[in-house]
Amino acid sequence: KQEVTQIPAALSVPEGENLVLNCSFTDSAIYNLQWFRQDPGKGLTSLLLIQSSQREQTSGRLNASLDKSSGRSTLYIAASQPGDSATYLCAVTVQGAQKLVFGQGTRLTINP
Amino acid sequence: DAMVIQNPRYQVTQFGKPVTLSCSQTLNHNVMYWYQQKSSQAPKLLFHYYDKDFNNEADTPDNFQSRRPNTSFCFLDIRSPGLGDAAMYLCATSRGTAQVGRLQPQHFGDGTRLSIL
Repeated sequence: KQEVTQIPAALSVPEGENLVLNCSFTDSAIYNLQWFRQDPGKGLTSLLLIQSSQREQTSGRLNASLDKSSGRSTLYIAASQPGDSATYLCAVTVQGAQKLVFGQGTRLTINP
Repeated sequence: DAMVIQNPRYQVTQFGKPVTLSCSQTLNHNVMYWYQQKSSQAPKLLFHYYDKDFNNEADTPDNFQSRRPNTSFCFLDIRSPGLGDAAMYLCATSRGTAQVGRLQPQHFGDGTRLSIL
């Protein structure tokens, strides 16, 4: 059974810092990995999707990497801003299924 | 703008009283999902439709049902809500492909927060 873990559960940093969020998964048989953002009381916004054949994806100040063999992904946020405060979730697509398995998320707070 | 719309945003129902949550989409995606998310927990997939084919997760209680009358709409029916069913319910869509697992990004609605009295 695929399990996805995100560490830390919460992170608070001053504005302007670069930071890294971590995601690990137990079964490397995945098709892709997706990073989402969730604001309080809201749904999920897809940030980046990395196919299993890819090593990284970039969008603006966000960079996500994937090391499938070791079961790890990182989300790098450059020059953090207060507007980046949210919960960030990673999810993997399980091979043989049309579904995502989510981690519990990292709650990020950027302090002005 | 094309989007996934969930109604209502907040729903209060009584213990044991049936309730229906609604999801509509203008993306013309062929896959629609329902997730349950409890406070500070990961979203948990309840079931999904691939076109008209219904796919139930093994651990989804029988109390939860779903209908998809057409491509644009999908409903979540909770037949007899219990206190443990209070949660945020998220609807999502994606464009599925013939190659299993090659999912396009999932697009989520803002959710319906369900409270049980």
